[in-house]
Amino acid sequence: RKEVEQDPGPFNVPEGATVAFNCTYSNSASQSFFWYRQDCRKEPKLLMSVYSSGNEDGRFTAQLNRASQYISLLIRDSKLSDSATYLCVVSLPTSGTYKYIFGTGTRLKVLA
Amino acid sequence: GAVVSQHPSWVICKSGTSVKIECRSLDFQATTMFWYRQFPKQSLMLMATSNEGSKATYEQGVEKDKFLINHASLTLSTLTVTSAHPEDSSFYICSARLHYEQYFGPGTRLTVT
Repeated sequence: RKEVEQDPGPFNVPEGATVAFNCTYSNSASQSFFWYRQDCRKEPKLLMSVYSSGNEDGRFTAQLNRASQYISLLIRDSKLSDSATYLCVVSLPTSGTYKYIFGTGTRLKVLA
Repeated sequence: GAVVSQHPSWVICKSGTSVKIECRSLDFQATTMFWYRQFPKQSLMLMATSNEGSKATYEQGVEKDKFLINHASLTLSTLTVTSAHPEDSSFYICSARLHYEQYFGPGTRLTVT
């Protein structure tokens, strides 16, 4: 079983739609949780950290359920520029620091 | 702030040669840097954790004699792919840790012919 699992998609949605991505992780020792965005042939960029209380940043809302080991990302009012791959990331303690484990990513295509 | 650079951004080399990739944190000091590899349509896979002044910690299945990592200063880590083969062709990305977050370099696309 993969440590971080995501539906690879692609999710093709019209502009203005609301879309939700889910992610599950297997290691209960996971400490921190993030959503990253990766455009084609580019490095990942931090979209937002995910907190147990849930957090919102503009059109983006992230939720974490530690009991179910489940993370979600909701994008409201999708824009063409939201088209990208969204990576679910968990951090695990290792050798005095933390390492990131990436999901395979969910591809989003917002259509005009 | 928190800018990480990588050099070169792309490189083509012949099979059997070695390639060095540099990762620099430009506006902060990073005691820990990470090296990832990403094959097409796959996710980033952690190769190794690089600690300044000590030996790198490699992930299972990554050959430390093939992927040499040197973290000689608080702002520079290097990855050398030795005796490169076509199957080493990939997108290599480094990141540097600042507090509890990682900041990624723009990546190096390596093609081995």
